[in-house]
Amino acid sequence: AQRVTQPEKLLSVFKGAPVELKCNYSYSGSPELFWYVQYSRQRLQLLLRHISRESIKGFTADLNKGETSFHLKKPFAQEEDSAMYYCALSGYAGGGNKLTFGTGTQLKVEL
Amino acid sequence: GAVVSQHPSWVICKSGTSVKIECRSLDFQATTMFWYRQFPKQSLMLMATSNEGSKATYEQGVEKDKFLINHASLTLSTLTVTSAHPEDSSFYICSAVGFQETQYFGPGTRLLVL
Repeated sequence: AQRVTQPEKLLSVFKGAPVELKCNYSYSGSPELFWYVQYSRQRLQLLLRHISRESIKGFTADLNKGETSFHLKKPFAQEEDSAMYYCALSGYAGGGNKLTFGTGTQLKVEL
Repeated sequence: GAVVSQHPSWVICKSGTSVKIECRSLDFQATTMFWYRQFPKQSLMLMATSNEGSKATYEQGVEKDKFLINHASLTLSTLTVTSAHPEDSSFYICSAVGFQETQYFGPGTRLLVL
């Protein structure tokens, strides 16, 4: 079974401070990991995926297979980063590839 | 690009009636779409996988006769909540699989059953 764990429901940081949103996963095969973001009153949108190894809006995430983690990081938080962040794993289950979401972390950037 | 729409954005219905929710990929074709349910302050729960031209695949615990899914074209999937009851009130979100197997999400439909 595939599982994604986001231990923090809420993370509050000051503007300009570093941000790290934690994500751990459990999957027997070779996972594909994503971070999705949901701004207030907007739809869920893809932030980044591990295979792209890119930085979006200053965010990066590195897949650590040894620690089964895919933490999301940003060196300097901005007010517009306040949103709900979901870590998701795409794995083969029940006859097809499916996304399993973590419970989400609400990031609040304070001035 | 890769825009997914849902209609309606919100609906209120009486208990016992059926409600249809549409999910459309506006600028790409999607052989696979997904339907999720999201309860307040909780994560998305996958309900079913909708495949164009074939029967939907439902997750364990999701009643297929309750939540009818039809994926008649490469740009449209519909979810019909049959004989809706107050416990079906929720936020329903669809996604369509596009470029590089990425899921693109619709804005969601809020259903309230009275």
